[in-house]
Amino acid sequence: DTGVSQDPRHKITKRGQNVTFRCDPISEHNRLYWYRQTLGQGPEFLTYFQNEAQLEKSRLLSDRFSAERPKGSFSTLEIQRTEQGDSAMYLCASSSPLGTGLGDSGANVLTFGAGSRLTVL
Amino acid sequence: LAKTTQPISMDSYEGQEVNITCSHNNIATNDYITWYQQFPSQGPRFIIQGYKTKVTNEVASLFIPADRKSSTLSLPRVSLSDTAVYYCLVGDGFNKFYFGSGTKLNVKP
Repeated sequence: DTGVSQDPRHKITKRGQNVTFRCDPISEHNRLYWYRQTLGQGPEFLTYFQNEAQLEKSRLLSDRFSAERPKGSFSTLEIQRTEQGDSAMYLCASSSPLGTGLGDSGANVLTFGAGSRLTVL
Repeated sequence: LAKTTQPISMDSYEGQEVNITCSHNNIATNDYITWYQQFPSQGPRFIIQGYKTKVTNEVASLFIPADRKSSTLSLPRVSLSDTAVYYCLVGDGFNKFYFGSGTKLNVKP
């Protein structure tokens, strides 16, 4: 396992279509995060999972957005009825509270994937 | 939730030491300070983390004063490949992590 994988890397869709992104975290990491990043801005927190439980959702995550992590491994982020304002980079990250993925001070750090870039025409 | 403030951008030249300061006046007792680096079209990458005083790894140093209300990321002898956006995060390292707008470092030849 070499890191966090995201698929697809790029997605171009027409307004109103549904899109789904997949994230495969580092296998021993039980926490998984989704972020959205627009040009020139820092990543914005969307939601995170501990195992299969979705523990928190940002108010940025409208009803058109849904995230799942059914078996506590990979996760999917679906956007229904896409809008042009949904165009962004969608980043997935994972972390673990136990042993792996710790920083210099022993607290969790995030390991990010390369992201999935969405363009809504 | 502790908010962070960083300069929007900085310029430097190859071979110089670069110091990027982050202000986090409302840092909590349980919070750690973590810095990430991000290149265009890539996800952020962990650089360094600290709780207090000084931390050094093979990439950078992190200086944290006693009151912990600020921190300084120090990059020794930068090269063109260090041109990136640098983010300072403050949190307990267990739950959600919030990013600010970051500091865009431009290293010139």
